[in-house]
Amino acid sequence: QVQLQESGPGLVKPSQTLSLTCTVSGGSISSGSYYWSWIRQHPGKGLEWIGYIYYSGSTYYNPSLKSRVTISVDTSKNQFSLKLSSVTAADTAVYYCARAAMTTVTMCYFDYWGQGTLVTVSS
Amino acid sequence: SYELTQPPSVSVSPGQTARITCSGDALPKQYAYWYQQRPGQAPVLVMYKDSERPSGIPERFSGSSSGTTVTLTISGVQAEDEADYYCQTADSSGTYRVVFGGGTKLTVL
Repeated sequence: QVQLQESGPGLVKPSQTLSLTCTVSGGSISSGSYYWSWIRQHPGKGLEWIGYIYYSGSTYYNPSLKSRVTISVDTSKNQFSLKLSSVTAADTAVYYCARAAMTTVTMCYFDYWGQGTLVTVSS
Repeated sequence: SYELTQPPSVSVSPGQTARITCSGDALPKQYAYWYQQRPGQAPVLVMYKDSERPSGIPERFSGSSSGTTVTLTISGVQAEDEADYYCQTADSSGTYRVVFGGGTKLTVL
C-alpha cells in the first residue's frame, strides 16, 4: 500500500518561500507510469493542481503558478518537494501531495494522497 | 482557460439516488475522474475513466458520460456518502494542465 506524507513548516512569512516535502513509502518513486504531484485547497474552497514531476525530473506546472513554483525529486530518499516563492496570504491553503497515474501523455488521475498539511502565510 | 462546472450542492434523502453532474467542453474527448472528500480528510478517488470504479468503492457508485457532461450517480445514498465531490480532467490543448471542477456538496437529509 503506497503512502504519502507531507512535511514542512506550517507558518511562512509573506514574501518568503514555502517549502514542503512529500515522503513516499510502500512503493518506489522511480517506478514508471506515475507522476508525483502537489495539489492545494484554500480554506473552504476547491482543489487546485500545482504541478507534477516524473522521477527523471520532468516537470509540468499549472500556468497560473508556474513563475513561482519549483518541484524537485530525490529518488535516493523516495521524496519529492515543492517550493513556492514570494508567498502572500492568498497562498494559505492545505497542501496535498499525491501520486498521479498517467492514462495518456497528458491525462492523469490521483490514486493515492497524503493527509495534507495546512500552511498559513502570515507575519 | 479550461473549466469544469459542477452544481454547488445536491441534497437527497437516505435511500434515494443522487446525481452529480460535471460539464466541460473537453469532456467528449477526455475522460473524467471523480473524488469524494469528507470533512477534514484527503480526497479519495471514487470513479475513473468516466465509469470505472476503483476497488473498494461500493457498487452504489456509478459514472456515465454524455456529450459535454459526465455524471456521478450514487444509488441508495447512505449517511456516510455526505461529502464534497470533485470531478477532474485535463486540458485537451496539450498544456498538461490538470483541471478540477468547483466541487459539489452532497447533503444527506
